[in-house]
Amino acid sequence: ETVMTQSPATLSVSRGGTVTLSCRASQSVGTDLAWYQQKPGQAPRLLIYAASTRAAGIPARFTGSGSGTDFTLTISSLQSEDSAVYYCQHYNNWPPITFGPGTKLSIK
Amino acid sequence: VQLVESGGALVKPGGSLRLSCEASGFNFNIYSMNWVRQAPGKGLEWIATIGYNSVHKYYADSVKGRFTVSRDNAVNSLFLEMNGLKADDTAMYFCTRDRPSYSLVAEFDSWGPGTLVTVSS
Repeated sequence: ETVMTQSPATLSVSRGGTVTLSCRASQSVGTDLAWYQQKPGQAPRLLIYAASTRAAGIPARFTGSGSGTDFTLTISSLQSEDSAVYYCQHYNNWPPITFGPGTKLSIK
Repeated sequence: VQLVESGGALVKPGGSLRLSCEASGFNFNIYSMNWVRQAPGKGLEWIATIGYNSVHKYYADSVKGRFTVSRDNAVNSLFLEMNGLKADDTAMYFCTRDRPSYSLVAEFDSWGPGTLVTVSS
């Protein structure tokens, strides 16, 4: 089973700034990697798939990159609405499909 | 695209429950569907996938042998039959759709609001 880890666990960034979230896989997943955003009390929303492709309706402020075992999600021009938990998920050579533990982002 | 789960309830350990997910706004027949759960205050856990024509079904080890995923394309619905429920099964259960049609890629592009299952005596 491929184990996903994310760092940092929590962070707080000022509005208007840029933040980079990290996700690491315990073995190569190629580019079979997705990112999701989950706000309190809501279902997750797909942001990025195939490591770097934005899902429909996702603004260009969200950028995914990486391949193999190391991935990043960069969010620029941070807005208060970006406060959420961000999860990465692999879908390479599954089952099982596994998610990272999440990064909680707060906007100051 | 709209997905709406139902069937969540309070159930005793060892009990059974059947969850449903009603889909609308897209051609349900050509998309693989999934169940993902989230225990209170915890992260996301994939638990089951069913291909668009029900030929392929996959389960997480944590539910294999206890849960059964099925679908009825005639009524645009996805189901999860849950038996031998344990306290660890307490979670919000989300129905999700695979992004590309006619595939098993596991990019979950649409989610329902979830239905809560609580297993407690």
